[in-house]
Amino acid sequence: DQQVKQNSPSLSVQEGRISILNCDYTNSMFDYFLWYKKYPAEGPTFLISISSIKDKNEDGRFTVFLNKSAKHLSLHIVPSQPGDSAVYFCAASVNQGGKLIFGQGTELSVKP
Amino acid sequence: SAVISQKPSRDICQRGTSLTIQCQVDSQVTMMFWYRQQPGQSLTLIATANQGSEATYESGFVIDKFPISRPNLTFSTLTVSNMSPEDSSIYLCSVEVSSGANVLTFGAGSRLTVL
Repeated sequence: DQQVKQNSPSLSVQEGRISILNCDYTNSMFDYFLWYKKYPAEGPTFLISISSIKDKNEDGRFTVFLNKSAKHLSLHIVPSQPGDSAVYFCAASVNQGGKLIFGQGTELSVKP
Repeated sequence: SAVISQKPSRDICQRGTSLTIQCQVDSQVTMMFWYRQQPGQSLTLIATANQGSEATYESGFVIDKFPISRPNLTFSTLTVSNMSPEDSSIYLCSVEVSSGANVLTFGAGSRLTVL
């Protein structure tokens, strides 16, 4: 049972435009959500997170939105840059530091 | 945050053999986490390694297949035993950014291919 789902395996965006990556979850007990970015041959690196008590968190070009009623979160990247091209993983946890449940990932390609 | 070194970065292994992956952290940490990423799949937690006690395994993972050592607060090993092609994956070591935090730092991973 996939508790965290990223239904789009890939996304292609023009440089300067907005990238929107989506993630759905099924477990209403999740109270913390994270986005990770992964380049080839490297480990995932933390990008941004949001607690379930918030509906938005912003950090520079990156904004995460959480819609608890829809069990949906999204990552917005504005403006997108070619260096943003990577695989993005959505993850969630239930008050446990190390146990993150990951989605399958979305490969973002930002074209110059 | 902590810097994690993993060895080997990649290896090609024969069916039926075992391989041990090493994880070194540049600071002392209470818990270390081992994840697996099978081809085209998400990352899945294998087990949590605490210093001085047995590792805690997630559903679907057993100690006989994935024995873990945690001899001190900066080092851990994961062994993949009696490998089959289905064990071909990236194995990743991770630690919490700070104690009790929900954010993990990952090593670069060890990519194993089993023939």
